[in-house]
Amino acid sequence: EVQLVESGGGLVQPGGSLRLSCATSGFSFSDYHMDWVRQAPGKGLEWIGRVRDKADSYTTEYAASVQGRFTISRDDSKNSLYLQMNSLKTEDTAVYYCASMIGDYWGQGTLVTVSS
Amino acid sequence: DIQMTQSPSAMSASVGDRVTITCRASQDISNNLAWLQQKPGKVHKRLIYDASNLESGVPSRFSGSGSGTEFTLTISSLQPEDFATYYCLQHKTFPRTFGQGTKVEIK
Repeated sequence: EVQLVESGGGLVQPGGSLRLSCATSGFSFSDYHMDWVRQAPGKGLEWIGRVRDKADSYTTEYAASVQGRFTISRDDSKNSLYLQMNSLKTEDTAVYYCASMIGDYWGQGTLVTVSS
Repeated sequence: DIQMTQSPSAMSASVGDRVTITCRASQDISNNLAWLQQKPGKVHKRLIYDASNLESGVPSRFSGSGSGTEFTLTISSLQPEDFATYYCLQHKTFPRTFGQGTKVEIK
C-alpha cells in the first residue's frame, strides 16, 4: 500500500521558518519526481514545487510565489521528501500536500498556519 | 504562466444526472491535462490523464475530452460517491497550474 505521511506543520509567526517532512512507503520513491502542493483555507490547489529524481540530477522547479523562500529536497535513502520554508507570510497559511503527481500518489496533508 | 479557467465553480446535481465540467487553458497545452478528484478525508485521486485516458480502477462513467485549450470532464450518471470537488491540472509547462475547482453538491 502506498503511503505518504506529512509532518512538521503548525503555527509559526510571520517571518519565521518551518520544515515539513514527508515519509513515504509502498512505491519506489527514488524513481519518482516529487511535488509539494498546497491549499489555502477555502481555496483551490496550488502547485508550489518539484524535485526531480537522481537521473535528472535532483533539479528543482518552484512557483513564483515561493521562489527564493522555499527549498525542496529529498533523501532517497530514507524515502523522504522535505520542504524548508523561510520568511513565511500570512498568505502561506495552507494545508501542504506531498505528492508525486506523475505517479498519482498523495499524502493527507499537514496544516501550516502563519499568524502573529 | 498558463492560466486554467475552470467552470462552473460549483453546481448542484442529482443522482443519475449527466455532469459536465469545462477547463480552458490560456495557451495550447496539447493533451497535457489531468482531472483530479478531492473528497474530504481522502487523498486526491487522478481520474483522467493526458486529457482523455481513464485511470485504472476509475469507473467508466467518467470521461475526458479535448485538446489544445478546451477540455471537458463528463460524469455520465452521477453516483452518490461522486459528490466531491474536481480540478483540472496542466502539466505542459512549469509552473504546473490547476483550475479553480468545481464543487459538485447534492441537489
